[in-house]
Amino acid sequence: AQSVTQLGSHVSVSEGALVLLRCNYSSSVPPYLFWYVQYPNQGLQLLLKYTSAATLVKGINGFEAEFKKSETSFHLTKPSAHMSDAAEYFCAVNTGGFKTIFGAGTRLFVKA
Amino acid sequence: KAGVTQTPRYLIKTRGQQVTLSCSPISGHRSVSWYQQTPGQGLQFLFEYFSETQRNKGNFPGRFSGRQFSNSRSEMNVSTLELGDSALYLCASSLEVGGNTGELFFGEGSRLTVL
Repeated sequence: AQSVTQLGSHVSVSEGALVLLRCNYSSSVPPYLFWYVQYPNQGLQLLLKYTSAATLVKGINGFEAEFKKSETSFHLTKPSAHMSDAAEYFCAVNTGGFKTIFGAGTRLFVKA
Repeated sequence: KAGVTQTPRYLIKTRGQQVTLSCSPISGHRSVSWYQQTPGQGLQFLFEYFSETQRNKGNFPGRFSGRQFSNSRSEMNVSTLELGDSALYLCASSLEVGGNTGELFFGEGSRLTVL
């Protein structure tokens, strides 16, 4: 069965600092991996996706993630945090079936 | 191009009542998925529909049901509401079945409060 674990329900960084949100997955077949962002009172929006092409994936708003098969990880990074990055971030996995499974989410706080 | 539209956005019900939520996917999208989002449980998969057929179902009791119409619009119904059903219900559409290689496009959700 597929699953997703996000390490840290809350992450706090200073504006301009590196953002690192961790995600590990479990899958018996090559997965498709996603990062979504949710702003208050809104639905989820795709940041980036891995679909077995390049292992380093670039997304919107300066975010990127690296697929590491040996570590079963898909961590999300951004070199310099902005106040507007404050939101909840979800890692998700799909193994080609009919459902996408989401992690529990990590709320990112950005301090001025 | 219009996004995913969910109605109603907010609703309040009492225990024992039933509720129907509606989702209109992006034009041309044939797959619709439903998720329940709560602070304690995160996003839990309810079910996915493609061409009016339920292709996958999550671990929810039979009180939760759904359907999809020929125009790809979808509804979900919750009967005999319980306090624990209070949540944000999110609908997502996709071009491909289950969004397996593509992305899910989410609506803004229907926030249900059960009193």
